[in-house]
Amino acid sequence: DSGVTQTPKHLITATGQRVTLRCSPRSGDLSVYWYQQSLDQGLQFLIQYYNGEERAKGNILERFSAQQFPDLHSELNLSSLELGDSALYFCASSYNPRGTEAFFGQGTRLTVV
Amino acid sequence: GESVGLHLPTLSVQEGDNSIINCAYSNSASDYFIWYKQESGKGPQFIIDIRSNMDKRQGQRVTVLLNKTVKHLSLQIAATQPGDSAVYFCAENNDYKLSFGAGTTVTVRA
Repeated sequence: DSGVTQTPKHLITATGQRVTLRCSPRSGDLSVYWYQQSLDQGLQFLIQYYNGEERAKGNILERFSAQQFPDLHSELNLSSLELGDSALYFCASSYNPRGTEAFFGQGTRLTVV
Repeated sequence: GESVGLHLPTLSVQEGDNSIINCAYSNSASDYFIWYKQESGKGPQFIIDIRSNMDKRQGQRVTVLLNKTVKHLSLQIAATQPGDSAVYFCAENNDYKLSFGAGTTVTVRA
């Protein structure tokens, strides 16, 4: 158990809908990272937050947004969902913003039908 | 541009043998590298890391080697066990972004 908790584990929704994925980092970790893992694309970096502020942005679509709350948990919001958004979404956390020893949660499997 | 890649997508190893998984990176500004193991249905699991000011780092049954001259990273697993079967990713950290390569699937033969 990495100490990073992601909910829900599985999510099935229809195209055009909006979902929210939640991540609770390890105790004491200030950085949260979001990744998308598709079958054919490996782990794609989406966005990073450090102590409530956005620190780095990857290839995150405009339909996606994220935030980190004062208690350091983070949410990834995916809207206007398309079939191609079906993937595993992982959250990772680390103590510092450099990503050293980033630990991953078990992921949320999103299926858009 | 930035990219992290692995030389081979698959590796088959006899149980008890040593495994070597390779990774090439292109961003010379990357200063920190990590190896992750991902088992089916699970999130990536941290194995070992190395900073750019080091050439070698050892952990329990694993060794990471960094060759900055040719921008090459490798993970050596000693006495490979069935539980080592997984997908292995190398990742590089540059400008607060942790970028992953495509992964190498390691299969351990009994």
